Formats: sequence, structure tokens, C-alpha cells
Amino acid sequence: EAEVAQSPRYKITEKSQAVAFWCDPISGHATLYWYRQILGQGPELLVQFQDESVVDDSQLPKDRFSAERLKGVDSTLKIQPAELGDSAMYLCASSPLSGGSLDTQYFGPGTRLTVL
Amino acid sequence: QKEVEQDPGPLSVPEGAIVSLNCTYSNSAFQYFMWYRQYSRKGPELLMYTYSSGNKEDGRFTAQVDKSSKYISLFIRDSQPSDSATYLCAMSGFNTDKLIFGTGTRLQVFP
Repeated sequence: EAEVAQSPRYKITEKSQAVAFWCDPISGHATLYWYRQILGQGPELLVQFQDESVVDDSQLPKDRFSAERLKGVDSTLKIQPAELGDSAMYLCASSPLSGGSLDTQYFGPGTRLTVL
Repeated sequence: QKEVEQDPGPLSVPEGAIVSLNCTYSNSAFQYFMWYRQYSRKGPELLMYTYSSGNKEDGRFTAQVDKSSKYISLFIRDSQPSDSATYLCAMSGFNTDKLIFGTGTRLQVFP
């Protein structure tokens, strides 16, 4: 069964350092999402891509976070510089349909970030 | 006030019990309602989704939506230790795929 792949699974970094997370969605899925899930809370959308274009990045802290999906396939989320409050699970999800229609979002296993 | 409220639990029940998980919401534009299950250190997986009001059943799971009360429920019958996980409700409006999640309820089913 096809799955969303994410790496690394765990990342420990010191504040002010740069970190990057990678996501490979299910093959053929046009829409890709990055979520942040703080411990004890539900996931919150950071950015949504439709193919290589950003559809929604209204909740992305753009002073330190950036995301790209250059060829409309895999994606990278970067934080620079990392802050203590960035410690969370970063989840990637993908869905097959174009944005604006509800379809199942398939989540990857996530990257757990700890900022010291 | 958050758009979606969910009791974080934890909820601890014996095997075989009927479990009731609930969420309330404030945005009347929500049309799609979902329940996700998240095991420890894993990503959420979709359990059930319903459109508008009504009930939907899938095996031991039943989802209910009451739009007049802005209240949704997930019932688990004959609960099993393997059901131990965090259950997240999620909602979306019409013509959008942006999901708004609850905080999740942690469920533990003991043998």
C-alpha cells in the first residue's frame, strides 16, 4: 500500500540552528500539506501546495519558515533559525484531488522536532 | 474560543465497553466531519467521514453529526485494546479542503 514518506523521523537541534524536513507524497497525489502538531493538540495547517504552487500559507511563520515543492512531487519544509517554541511533530499529508474539493488526506509518520 | 472543542481525556475503559467521543464546534459553515485515529508516534489515519447531519456506521464504529447542536460523536462498540489511541475530530467547510482539527481525545482500553 502506498504511503507518504517523511524524513528524518526525529530531529534534535539547538535554537538558532537551521533544520529541514522532507516529504514524498503518494505517487500521483496533486495536493500536499504540511501540518504542525504541538504535543496535546491537533494538527494545524502550515502550508498547502497544489502541484508546485502554494495554495495556502496563511499560517506559515514566513520570517523563519519556508516550504517548496519545486517539481510538484516531493517537498521540503525549512526552519531557520529554530526557536524553542518550534518543538513539535511536523506532519506531511497528500490527497489526490485538486484543492477546493474534499478528499481523504493521507498522513505520513511525521518528523518529531526537539529544539534545545 | 477555538472553532473546534474536544475533551482531551484521557479516557480509560475496560475491554468490551462502548466508548463515546465527542466534539463541539462554532462555525456553522462546516459541512464535512471526520474522525482520525492517531497511534503514538504515528500520523493520523482517517477512520470515518460524514457529510452534513446524520449517522454513518462502519463495523464497530458509528459517527453521528447533529448540525443543529453543532455536536459530533464517534461511538466505538465492543472496544478492544488495539483501539487505544488518540482520536481527533476534524471539520471542513463546503468547497474547501482545509481541515480544522480538535485537540484529540486519548483513549485507553485495558484488558
